[in-house]
Amino acid sequence: AQSVTQLGSHVSVSEGALVLLRCNYSSSVPPYLFWYVQYPNQGLQLLLKYTTGATLVKGINGFEAEFKKSETSFHLTKPSAHMSDAAEYFCAVSGTGGGNKLTFGTGTQLKVEL
Amino acid sequence: NAGVTQTPKFQVLKTGQSMTLQCAQDMNHEYMSWYRQDPGMGLRLIHYSVGAGITDQGEVPNGYNVSRSTTEDFPLRLLSAAPSQTSVYFCASSYSTTARNTGELFFGEGSRLTVL
Repeated sequence: AQSVTQLGSHVSVSEGALVLLRCNYSSSVPPYLFWYVQYPNQGLQLLLKYTTGATLVKGINGFEAEFKKSETSFHLTKPSAHMSDAAEYFCAVSGTGGGNKLTFGTGTQLKVEL
Repeated sequence: NAGVTQTPKFQVLKTGQSMTLQCAQDMNHEYMSWYRQDPGMGLRLIHYSVGAGITDQGEVPNGYNVSRSTTEDFPLRLLSAAPSQTSVYFCASSYSTTARNTGELFFGEGSRLTVL
């Protein structure tokens, strides 16, 4: 079985500061990993994903994440936060062999302050 | 583009009532699924379908029923609503799995259900 753990249910940063949202995974097979973002009163949308190949993946809106097998981590970063980044972010892992059955983490609410 | 459309957006039920949450997609996606979102618990998979006529259970299927008679539609039925089913429900769809598009779910805007 696969699972993900997101450390910190709420993260607050100043506008222009580094954003770091943490995600650790557990998987008995090589995982496929995802970050999704949810803006208020909307559905989730894909930010970025790792399947195979390059371990540093870039997504939309300037976000990127690095797959670190030795640390079982897939942390999400953005060099400079913008007010529009305020949202809830979900890390997710796919089932054995990939596929569309995603297991989501509990989410991290990002607040961006002036 | 309509994408994934869910109806209704809001619904209040009494305990024991039944209802159907509708989900339709116009992207010709083979894969469709239902999740529920609860505070502090993230999203949990209820049921999913890999194509018309094929459905399977997810992590929390009890109290819910689904069918997939067409590629476009994937309704979720609550058989006898309970307060524990108060939640926000999301329908999501995707292309059939390949290495390129695996896990790329397209979500509807959600249906907020309250069971009294």
